[in-house]
Amino acid sequence: DAGVIQSPRHEVTEMGQEVTLRCKPISGHNSLFWYRQTMMRGLELLIYFNNNVPIDDSGMPEDRFSAKMPNASFSTLKIQPSEPRDSAVYFCASSFGQGILFFGSGTQLSVL
Amino acid sequence: EDQVTQSPEALRLQEGESSSLNCSYTVSGLRGLFWYRQDPGKGPEFLFTLYSAGEEKEKERLKATLTKKESFLHITAPKPEDSATYLCAVRHGSSNTGKLIFGQGTTLQVKP
Repeated sequence: DAGVIQSPRHEVTEMGQEVTLRCKPISGHNSLFWYRQTMMRGLELLIYFNNNVPIDDSGMPEDRFSAKMPNASFSTLKIQPSEPRDSAVYFCASSFGQGILFFGSGTQLSVL
Repeated sequence: EDQVTQSPEALRLQEGESSSLNCSYTVSGLRGLFWYRQDPGKGPEFLFTLYSAGEEKEKERLKATLTKKESFLHITAPKPEDSATYLCAVRHGSSNTGKLIFGQGTTLQVKP
């Protein structure tokens, strides 16, 4: 299995631009998580899907952030408009039920 | 409020010098404590899951233990390739989701 696949690996954009991060979970996994990692705050859960349905979005910082999971093999995290404080590494992870979370390699986002 | 605290933040060891990393937690009903390893530029990689006080798990030079309030990751005779950030995470019982709450991590450097 190829594992959790995220794209792009790096994204540099200017403040105010729209950013879309993509994730392909491991086949057969039914739970998908979006985390954000910064030096100051560590790994923070943004949103969690179960069977393609958003279950817990309490970690989404504000309305500028949105996430979708149109099918079992694809999810997006969108930031519109982006701000410099959004700069971080964004990780996608998937699991089967309440099993082990497997993480992707992350997207390094820099908002100038 | 659920909380996970790891100590120390950073640890430098000489090759062969054994030590322990600590993870203290306060959660409403533990449903699993997880240890992950994270290398620079990569996503966290699963190491162990512990479910009940007194449980221990081993993998090569690593051994994880669990009490009712904390977990330890013991590193015996470490090698330079053990250098990484070690993350502790908990899944709590009041939630019916699979989400994990992470600590800030301990960055381990092992010098030859």
